[in-house]
Amino acid sequence: GENVEQHPSTLSVQEGDSAVIKCTYSDSASNYFPWYKQELGKGPQLIIDIRSNVGEKKDQRIAVTLNKTAKHFSLHITETQPEDSAVYFCAASAQPQAGTALIFGKGTTLSVSS
Amino acid sequence: GAVVSQHPSRVICKSGTSVKIECRSLDFQATTMFWYRQFPKQSLMLMATSNEGSKATYEQGVEKDKFLINHASLTLSTLTVTSAHPEDSSFYICSARSAGGQEKLFFGSGTQLSVL
Repeated sequence: GENVEQHPSTLSVQEGDSAVIKCTYSDSASNYFPWYKQELGKGPQLIIDIRSNVGEKKDQRIAVTLNKTAKHFSLHITETQPEDSAVYFCAASAQPQAGTALIFGKGTTLSVSS
Repeated sequence: GAVVSQHPSRVICKSGTSVKIECRSLDFQATTMFWYRQFPKQSLMLMATSNEGSKATYEQGVEKDKFLINHASLTLSTLTVTSAHPEDSSFYICSARSAGGQEKLFFGSGTQLSVL
């Protein structure tokens, strides 16, 4: 089955700096890679996703890149703000349209200090 | 994005009792819902996949007789933790994917279960 590795487990940055979180996956059949932000005591919130036929996707301060050959994808947050502080999870799924579940990485706790 | 409503948000119960958690898709129909479990400072672990009108598919190591899942309609799935014990204390989160071949998975707000 799919295995998703995520690094780093914790990340501390100064407000305004960039933050990068990296994930690798094992199943070459995986073709959908979302990123979620989870605040304490709440459910995960989808912030951006990418499909395997796209190498990069950007939404304002957030971008995701995908390297299918190397089986890794990354989340980039620019101009970080204190409200970006949360736990971020990457995930992977093969054939999501067919009902396949997401497999999550272990999460990265991002702390943005002002 | 689509809204998934989950309740209760928090429940405290005595050991041996059963607890039901509801998950509703408010503005879309969900043929498939997923139930995850999360321990403090850990990742989300898939417990089971719930398909409307059929039996749930449980992940290895998850007791189907303990964690009863019902998905009776396209907008509602329930998870019942039967004969709860302190080790069942955890954060339970449901998620749903819109019908029609959509990829995006939306999560409920989670239920913190504490078994005394």
